[in-house]
Amino acid sequence: GIQVEQSPPDLILQEGANSTLRCNFSDSVNNLQWFHQNPWGQLINLFYIPSGTKQNGRLSATTVATERYSLLYISSSQTTDSGVYFCAVEGISGDYKLSFGAGTTVTVRA
Amino acid sequence: EAQVTQNPRYLITVTGKKLTVTCSQNMNHEYMSWYRQDPGLGLRQIYYSMNVEVTDKGDVPEGYKVSRKEKRNFPLILESPSPNQTSLYFCASSSRVGANVLTFGAGSRLTVL
Repeated sequence: GIQVEQSPPDLILQEGANSTLRCNFSDSVNNLQWFHQNPWGQLINLFYIPSGTKQNGRLSATTVATERYSLLYISSSQTTDSGVYFCAVEGISGDYKLSFGAGTTVTVRA
Repeated sequence: EAQVTQNPRYLITVTGKKLTVTCSQNMNHEYMSWYRQDPGLGLRQIYYSMNVEVTDKGDVPEGYKVSRKEKRNFPLILESPSPNQTSLYFCASSSRVGANVLTFGAGSRLTVL
């Protein structure tokens, strides 16, 4: 199956700082999603982004499918951004099977 | 409100005592899936279903069973739970039309003693 690697594994930020999370994947994909898991465990979809760039408020994401990576940008971080960020990908076989990375744990300090 | 509902949210049980974690969605989604989350491993897929009466194994199906008799429900069954099945479990669903964007349930924390 597709291998998904996320970096860094942990990130500590001061409130107001910017950061970049990276997701590398081992094969061609037709589906890539970013999720945020808040400290209460809830998983929320942030972006569906198999290619290109999208922005949603202070968050944006870019996927370069030909080079097999995606980046999630957090600007002007807030304490509510704390949690674990997961990247998930689906290969081109079309089996609707999403493979998740191990996640990046982000801690934003006031 | 569009949602995926899992029950129970928390459960402590003993080895060998059969249990079922229910999952229901109200979005008329075709696709449903179960994941388990363990520290450092991200989410690993247990089973998934593309539609009613269609189920397939994910990456870690051993020790689990599922059924999809109705479109809205996708229960996860542990016939004889063991301590290595202690984990946080998530059910998710999505439409097969367009992007496969997953909506997750709130999670079920299971402890097997």
